[in-house]
Amino acid sequence: GQNIDQPTEMTATEGAIVQINCTYQTSGFNGLFWYQQHAGEAPTFLSYNVLDGLEEKGRFSSFLSRSKGYSYLLLKELQMKDSASYLCAVRPVAGTALIFGKGTTLSVSS
Amino acid sequence: GAVVSQHPSWVICKSGTSVKIECRSLDFQATTMFWYRQFPKQSLMLMATSNEGSKATYEQGVEKDKFLINHASLTLSTLTVTSAHPEDSSFYICSALTGNEQYFGPGTRLTVT
Repeated sequence: GQNIDQPTEMTATEGAIVQINCTYQTSGFNGLFWYQQHAGEAPTFLSYNVLDGLEEKGRFSSFLSRSKGYSYLLLKELQMKDSASYLCAVRPVAGTALIFGKGTTLSVSS
Repeated sequence: GAVVSQHPSWVICKSGTSVKIECRSLDFQATTMFWYRQFPKQSLMLMATSNEGSKATYEQGVEKDKFLINHASLTLSTLTVTSAHPEDSSFYICSALTGNEQYFGPGTRLTVT
C-alpha cells in the first residue's frame, strides 16, 4: 500500500523559519514533490527531489533521504502569503500519478 | 508553457442530473491525464488515470459507471459525473503528464443540490 504522513497543522510567525516533515512508505519511488495549495485553488509546484540531499530554491528548500523514507520542506523568511496547505506527494513509478499526503496547513501570523 | 485548463470552474446541479467537466492541455500533448477529487480540508485523492485512445484505469472504490472518463484526443479528457448526488459535491482537479512532469488544472468546484 501507499502511505504518506505529514503533520496536520503548523503555526509560525512572520520572518521565522518552519520545517514541514513528510514520511512515506510506497510500493516504489520515482520522486518526491512538494506543492502549495491555497483554499479553493489547485496545487502549485514548489520542489522536486529524486536523489538524496537538499534542493534549494529561493526561500524554499526541500530535503530527501530515500533510505529513511523522509523528506522535509523548509520555508525561510516567512511571509503572511505563505499561509496555505503544503502537500507532500510521491510518484511510485515513472509515468504514473502522484500520490498525495493529507497536507499540512500552515498559518503565519504577524 | 505547460498550461492545463478546466471547464467549468464551478457548477451547481440538481441531484440526479449529469455534469461534464473538461480538462485541456493548452500547449502540449498529453497521452496521460489524471483525475483527482478533493473534499474540504482533505488531500487530493486519485480517482482514475486517463490514457488517450484507451479505457481509463480507476482506483479502488471509484465507480467507473458513475464517473465516466473519455480521453478522445491528446489535449482533451472529460469527466462526466452521472446521476449526481449531494455526496459527489467536491473539488475535481485534473492533471496532465508530459515527460516526467505533472501539471495541474485550476480545478472545478461541483455542488449538487
